[in-house]
Amino acid sequence: SQQGEEDPQALSIQEGENATMNCSYKTSINNLQWYRQNSGRGLVHLILIRSNEREKHSGRLRVTLDTSKKSSSLLITASRAADTASYFCATVVNSGYSTLTFGKGTMLLVSP
Amino acid sequence: DTGVSQDPRHKITKRGQNVTFRCDPISEHNRLYWYRQTLGQGPEFLTYFQNEAQLEKSRLLSDRFSAERPKGSFSTLEIQRTEQGDSAMYLCASSQRDSRTDTQYFGPGTRLTVL
Repeated sequence: SQQGEEDPQALSIQEGENATMNCSYKTSINNLQWYRQNSGRGLVHLILIRSNEREKHSGRLRVTLDTSKKSSSLLITASRAADTASYFCATVVNSGYSTLTFGKGTMLLVSP
Repeated sequence: DTGVSQDPRHKITKRGQNVTFRCDPISEHNRLYWYRQTLGQGPEFLTYFQNEAQLEKSRLLSDRFSAERPKGSFSTLEIQRTEQGDSAMYLCASSQRDSRTDTQYFGPGTRLTVL
């Protein structure tokens, strides 16, 4: 079953704009991760945020985590056409085995 | 630097046939995961190996599915008597247990089409 729900399901922006995607989950987590998937390809790990962290940065990516609301957001600043992809949040609910539970994803389209 | 590889990349089969997929993880990784992804959905966990031991199996993994990881290196996922509902992308991922990060590195996937 899917743990996370991303919002929006689809997002269309112009190059240079910022893109914000949200993720909500249901159970307590060890960590939350964001992945990118280009059409028909495997997933690429973007960033991991632990349950005791509130914000994390990596390049043009900024992730926040609010465990009291069971939600996370991914902000991509100064978007590029190459950022066009589907973005998934995934949670680790069993820290022993670290299996990922994914949401349905947000499809991001960045137009030149 | 070689990442996770999967073979084949595409498989078309007729209903009722058996298929086998292979995953070669990153060489120093001791953890290996299989996921299944259908169109418009996120990946769903199937099974997990630590070295050669299969430690967790999802309820999605019916009796027709079997996975192995002999010698703790590559892994195979076999589906017997395929059904049209098995059509999906099968993704493999590997990771190296680390107390600070649990990053899973994914392969390109095997896309299965059951006719």
